[in-house]
Amino acid sequence: GAGVSQSPSNKVTEKGKDVELRCDPISGHTALYWYRQRLGQGLEFLIYFQGNSAPDKSGLPSDRFSAERTGESVSTLTIQRTQQEDSAVYLCASSLITVYNEQFFGPGTRLTVL
Amino acid sequence: KNQVEQSPQSLIILEGKNCTLQCNYTVSPFSNLRWYKQDTGRGPVSLTIMTFSENTKSNGRYTATLDADTKQSSLHITASQLSDSASYICVVSAVESNYQLIWGAGTKLIIKP
Repeated sequence: GAGVSQSPSNKVTEKGKDVELRCDPISGHTALYWYRQRLGQGLEFLIYFQGNSAPDKSGLPSDRFSAERTGESVSTLTIQRTQQEDSAVYLCASSLITVYNEQFFGPGTRLTVL
Repeated sequence: KNQVEQSPQSLIILEGKNCTLQCNYTVSPFSNLRWYKQDTGRGPVSLTIMTFSENTKSNGRYTATLDADTKQSSLHITASQLSDSASYICVVSAVESNYQLIWGAGTKLIIKP
């Protein structure tokens, strides 16, 4: 596939459970980003990967959130002990490292915590 | 504080009409400004990217303008189509952090037949 893919597209979970969200970036894109978008709101930066390293994790809202990237490719965002306020769409984007760093987005994972 | 504000919050126009969306930002030092289109249930898609030296950039029926002195941008949509119904998001990046974009909340545009 040519674009960024994310899975699952929808996830419904119970409060307190752990969830894993997956992102497959565009092949060759060294930069990868995770965002959170609450209903009717703008995108909220979570974390940025350059290769497999995360030089900026400043947007992760709490220590329940973690992310990793392997093989300079797939990334997983893990949310432990989910809370209702974690309900949102989680978007992943990837880019080449250029002066513009134009980001290409996946379709997102809609997470609902009951 | 780096911020991006957009207006109006929402807009309804008839198919075939033109419209202009506004963006004001306080990001400094400024690197570039982007407009994204986000269809419901989809990720954002880039429409235009402009640096401080660019005053206008077009992409089909979309024309973005930038005034780096007043820190304002606009997105003009000509001869609107039903498929233009989406959220339009203004995004700014600062020189020292070109990867961490500052996102506006978006303008929700609805085109009615």
